[in-house]
Amino acid sequence: EVQLVESGGGLVQPGRSLRLSCAASGFTFDDYAIHWVRQAPGKGLEWVSGISWNSGTVAYADSVKGRFTMSRDNAKNSLYLQMNSLRVEDTALYYCAKDISVTGRYYFDYWGQGTLVTVSS
Amino acid sequence: EIVMTQSPATLSVSPGERATLSCRASQSVSSNLAWYQQKPGQAPRLLIYAASTRATGIPARFSGSGSGTEFTLTISSLQSEDFAVYYCQQYNNWPLRNTFGQGTKLEIK
Repeated sequence: EVQLVESGGGLVQPGRSLRLSCAASGFTFDDYAIHWVRQAPGKGLEWVSGISWNSGTVAYADSVKGRFTMSRDNAKNSLYLQMNSLRVEDTALYYCAKDISVTGRYYFDYWGQGTLVTVSS
Repeated sequence: EIVMTQSPATLSVSPGERATLSCRASQSVSSNLAWYQQKPGQAPRLLIYAASTRATGIPARFSGSGSGTEFTLTISSLQSEDFAVYYCQQYNNWPLRNTFGQGTKLEIK
């Protein structure tokens, strides 16, 4: 059974940092690209970042570029999102989502349950 | 950049009736379009990919159509469990910025 379990969310002040993790199981992790998608309270889905199977390609939404860094450790079947200079508008439920391809240029067939990030003073 | 627009924002339909949801792309995305269903408190679930192919385990009452810039998700006979929010997603352009539509909430009439 494919599982994606996010962790690391919490309450943080504006300007501070937070690191999210996503632990994957039930599939060959390094055969697939993975993404982070967020959802602000009561709002729609927003793609945040995606990383190819070997970390050769990493891309970001304009809203987080230069502040967020996505990485993966295939030996640990884990994905990370380092979030710096956090803003109130980064408040959201952050999902990791598995791509159907190695490149990350497709759609998402499995999602985690999300970890909540709240940015507030 | 591509903008995905879904309509209507909210659709009220009675159980047993047909629901038709629309998704429009600001430029052609070929058939590179997926649909997701999201219920309250749950993660999105993949319904349709390649505009018209049902994902594994998705009931036949869900169907997708369209190509280019105009797409439709049809639910032929609504069941109680189908009332949810539906999102379209284009994956024709990389990076996947603005990849999702804003969603259509399907509610019970």
